[in-house]
This record gives sequence, C-alpha cells and structure tokens, in this order.
Amino acid sequence: DIQMTQSPSSLSASVGDSVTISCRASQTISNYLNWYQQKPGKAPKLLVYAAFTLKTGVPSRFSGSGSGTDFTLTISSLQPDDFAIYYCQQSFDSSWTFGQGTTVDIK
Amino acid sequence: QVQLQESGPGLVKPSQTLSLTCTVSGASVSGSDYYWSWIRQPPGKGLEWIGYMYYSGSTNYNPSLKSRVTISVDKSRNQFSLNLTSVTTDDTAVYYCARVSITMTAIYYFDYWGQGTLVTVSS
Repeated sequence: DIQMTQSPSSLSASVGDSVTISCRASQTISNYLNWYQQKPGKAPKLLVYAAFTLKTGVPSRFSGSGSGTDFTLTISSLQPDDFAIYYCQQSFDSSWTFGQGTTVDIK
Repeated sequence: QVQLQESGPGLVKPSQTLSLTCTVSGASVSGSDYYWSWIRQPPGKGLEWIGYMYYSGSTNYNPSLKSRVTISVDKSRNQFSLNLTSVTTDDTAVYYCARVSITMTAIYYFDYWGQGTLVTVSS
C-alpha cells in the first residue's frame, strides 16, 4: 500500500491566517491526490481533486499544489467555517489510502 | 441533487456479518459514469477505504479487508450494499457510502458522501 503522511497532525491558527498542510506519499503518485474537509459528526467533503482542481463551489481561499510525492493544501485567509480536520487521499494504485488527518483549530 | 443514505443495524455481535445498504437518489448506480464505494472511520480515528463497485459488477477491495468484504448492487432499487463477515470489535466504526467520480486522466475521487452510520460490534 502507498502510505500517506500528513504534517502537521494539528495546528492552531487565527481567523485571517494563511495555513498550509502537507501530505507526503511513500512513492510517486503523479497528481492522483485529493483533499477533504471533515467537521465533527459530519461526513467528509471534497475540496480539491487531482492535486489542484477545486471542486465547484469551494471557496477560492482553498488551493492545492504538488506532484509526485509532495503535496500541499493552502487556506489563504482562514475563516471561522474552516476549523476542521483535513485529509489527503491517493487513488494512484488500486488500494486507495488516506492520510491520518490534520486538525486545524482556533488559537 | 445527489444524495446517499446508509441504513442497517447499529449493533452487530462479534463473529457475525455486518450488512449495510446505501440508497442513492439523484444519480443512477446503473450508469457507467461513476463508481460506488464504502469508507469507514473508527471512533476518534481516521478514514479507511473499504472498497468500490462498478455498475458492471466489477469490484475492488482494500487488501486488508478483502477476505471478508463483499460489495454488491441492486439496480432495481438504486442501492448498493456492504457485507463484512466475521466482525470483531475492531470493526466498530462509522460507515460511509460515497460516489466516486473519475477525471479524464483516471483520477478517482469521492465527490458525494452519505451522512454515515455508526455500527458497534459488541456482544
């Protein structure tokens, strides 16, 4: 299986801050990388697919980048609605895997 | 609007079979444009992909669960189902069904999710 490692595991930030979450794959996955946001008690929601394509309706303050083994999700100006857990997920090989998640909470 | 809804028992005894159904509205499980998948999340932990199925009946499962998992489709009811045999307490989790979309370059992603259903394995 391809292992996905996110860093940091958690971070504290203030409204208006720029936040970057990293995701590293244990082998190259080209751009077969997706990002999801999950709030407590809710299902995950797709934010970004194919490394940098924003799902329709997702605010433009979210952006994804990277290719190969290293990827980032950036939130350019953190809003109150953005405090959540973020997961990366690869679909490069036949066994899809998620990162362990990054919790973004209020400083 | 695409909606998915999980249903099934919330409590299963150890060694028994966990069975869940996902009812889809706003999209057809019989169509060739999408795959249909199950994902689970143990309490307080991360997400684990279980497997997916295609309208043709083809399936792909997480190797760690492959010997115990079956995902099947009921086209007449626009539903797909999950069976997980020989469950243990480690299978206690919120189970989500999801639709899988595919880009032109064959990148798969979960674009719609059900709300999830908690299944507890306990005697």
